[in-house]
Amino acid sequence: GESVGLHLPTLSVQEGDNSIINCAYSNSASDYFIWYKQESGKGPQFIIDIRSNMDKRQGQRVTVLLNKTVKHLSLQIAATQPGDSAVYFCAENTGGFKTIFGAGTRLFVKA
Amino acid sequence: DSGVTQTPKHLITATGQRVTLRCSPRSGDLSVYWYQQSLDQGLQFLIQYYNGEERAKGNILERFSAQQFPDLHSELNLSSLELGDSALYFCASSVDHLDRSPAFGPGTRLTVT
Repeated sequence: GESVGLHLPTLSVQEGDNSIINCAYSNSASDYFIWYKQESGKGPQFIIDIRSNMDKRQGQRVTVLLNKTVKHLSLQIAATQPGDSAVYFCAENTGGFKTIFGAGTRLFVKA
Repeated sequence: DSGVTQTPKHLITATGQRVTLRCSPRSGDLSVYWYQQSLDQGLQFLIQYYNGEERAKGNILERFSAQQFPDLHSELNLSSLELGDSALYFCASSVDHLDRSPAFGPGTRLTVT
């Protein structure tokens, strides 16, 4: 499949372990944050979002943590599976149309 | 499958040429966004349309243009193509222009030789 980026930070985890993907965002005025997953040859897929009035939000096997003090966002994936292998992007939004995407992190899951 | 469709999936063309990329939004969505994803620039917002009208512009070059038709499909026109225009081009759609997490299509991979 097509490669999204050849020089992305890479995280390699064992199947069944928990994964933590980190992201630093740039704009302190951003009030909405999203994590997307992009598999090879596909478009970004929404995973979970969080608004700035929250510091934690949980979904199915995923948790997003927001630390506004240091402008840091993390995505935790519980019991990582081979199907979780992909590039993960954080994105920030200050309202309206313009969503700014981070560079992405490539997650490899070893069986 | 997000419900957003894009054609063609792959496109190879020469420098100086012009191409048109097509997008059909999810059923019921009125807003369409175009993004460019290159190896060195990541995902960059290009332009947004809502119900046929341009809503917002991002980092879109003057050589590029887009439109949204009455049936809500959208086309992105790229002209005077340069090698650096080689990238993945994604269309995304949302119900309205205020939705901040649109659904992405599978993309069109453009290669300029």
